[in-house]
Amino acid sequence: AQTVTQSQPEMSVQEAETVTLSCTYDTSENNYYLFWYKQPPSRQMILVIRQEAYKQQNATENRFSVNFQKAAKSFSLKISDSQLGDTAMYFCAFMKQSNTGKLIFGQGTTLQVKP
Amino acid sequence: DVKVTQSSRYLVKRTGEKVFLECVQDMDHENMFWYRQDPGLGLRLIYFSYDVKMKEKGDIPEGYSVSREKKERFSLILESASTNQTSMYLCASSEGLAGGTGELFFGEGSRLTVL
Repeated sequence: AQTVTQSQPEMSVQEAETVTLSCTYDTSENNYYLFWYKQPPSRQMILVIRQEAYKQQNATENRFSVNFQKAAKSFSLKISDSQLGDTAMYFCAFMKQSNTGKLIFGQGTTLQVKP
Repeated sequence: DVKVTQSSRYLVKRTGEKVFLECVQDMDHENMFWYRQDPGLGLRLIYFSYDVKMKEKGDIPEGYSVSREKKERFSLILESASTNQTSMYLCASSEGLAGGTGELFFGEGSRLTVL
């Protein structure tokens, strides 16, 4: 069975600084996807960034980038130039390539961006 | 924009009551999901559906059932609510396998309190 672990329940960062959220996962699959989702306070969860396991290049989306280490089964999220609107709970998630939409989520990390 | 709408943001029910949580999506997605979100546990999959009248158990189906009579609607049913079902319930949808990226589109959530 696959598992996803986020070992940082809470983090904080000053506005304009950079922060990295950690995620590790366990799987015997070779083809899969990894995701970071953002859940702002009292708002809908949205996709931040997605990584295909077969791609060696790390995904980036504007200020958000990942460090994907397949051998180490590590998938961290880096947020550059943090903004107050980045305050949210962030979830790391795993999906087997054959299981469209059936995601396994980590415990979540609450990020507070301070002015 | 994709819209996933959950019928109730907040519900308070009594132990033993039958509870219906409704979810509607407007993007003609094949896949629909019900997750439960609890602090420290992340999101856990209760049930999912890849097609009308089709359902599959997720990781924690005990005490729940679902109904999908129409493609756009996926209902979660608590036959006899118990206090340990107090939680945030999230509905999500995604495209089918053929065109899917694995991205889930979430509703705003239904916070259920069982007294």
